[in-house]
Amino acid sequence: AQTVTQSQPEMSVQEAETVTLSCTYDTSENNYYLFWYKQPPSRQMILVIRQEAYKQQNATENRFSVNFQKAAKSFSLKISDSQLGDTAMYFCAFGGYALNFGKGTSLLVTP
Amino acid sequence: DSGVTQTPKHLITATGQRVTLRCSPRSGDLSVYWYQQSLDQGLQFLIQYYNGEERAKGNILERFSAQQFPDLHSELNLSSLELGDSALYFCASSVKGYSPLHFGNGTRLTVT
Repeated sequence: AQTVTQSQPEMSVQEAETVTLSCTYDTSENNYYLFWYKQPPSRQMILVIRQEAYKQQNATENRFSVNFQKAAKSFSLKISDSQLGDTAMYFCAFGGYALNFGKGTSLLVTP
Repeated sequence: DSGVTQTPKHLITATGQRVTLRCSPRSGDLSVYWYQQSLDQGLQFLIQYYNGEERAKGNILERFSAQQFPDLHSELNLSSLELGDSALYFCASSVKGYSPLHFGNGTRLTVT
């Protein structure tokens, strides 16, 4: 079975600081993609960043970057210069045709 | 705006009833996915269609069924509803497998 584990149910960070959200997964597949999605209070699901498993280079998207460790099956999200608008639930997901999601980490950015 | 349209936004119904949720994918996307998000839970994958054919099945109950029509829109049918079926149901679409999913705004189903 393919599983995704987000071990931090809740996190808090001050504005302008950096925070890292953890994600581990389990799969026997070799070719897959990994994603981080953000769900603000509006409940929309918004794609934050994407990483192809065959790429060694970590993906970066503005203030968001990942630390992908394929051997360790770890895929963490780093948010730099945190902003109030980053307050949301963050979901890690991986898969091929269908994505498996973790249970999420609730991130609160405080002034 | 993701380009994925879900209707209705909200649905309130009684136990034992049947409802249909509708999804129109982004223009050009051939794959449609259905996910269920219960209170304080992650997203549970239900089913995926690609160009009209079922491609993958997740934890979808036998009381639930779905289909994708020739115009690529999809419907999720939920029958014999139970209180535990109350959830936010998301539809997502993608160009193909291994592509990012683009989510609709969801249908909030409340079973009373």
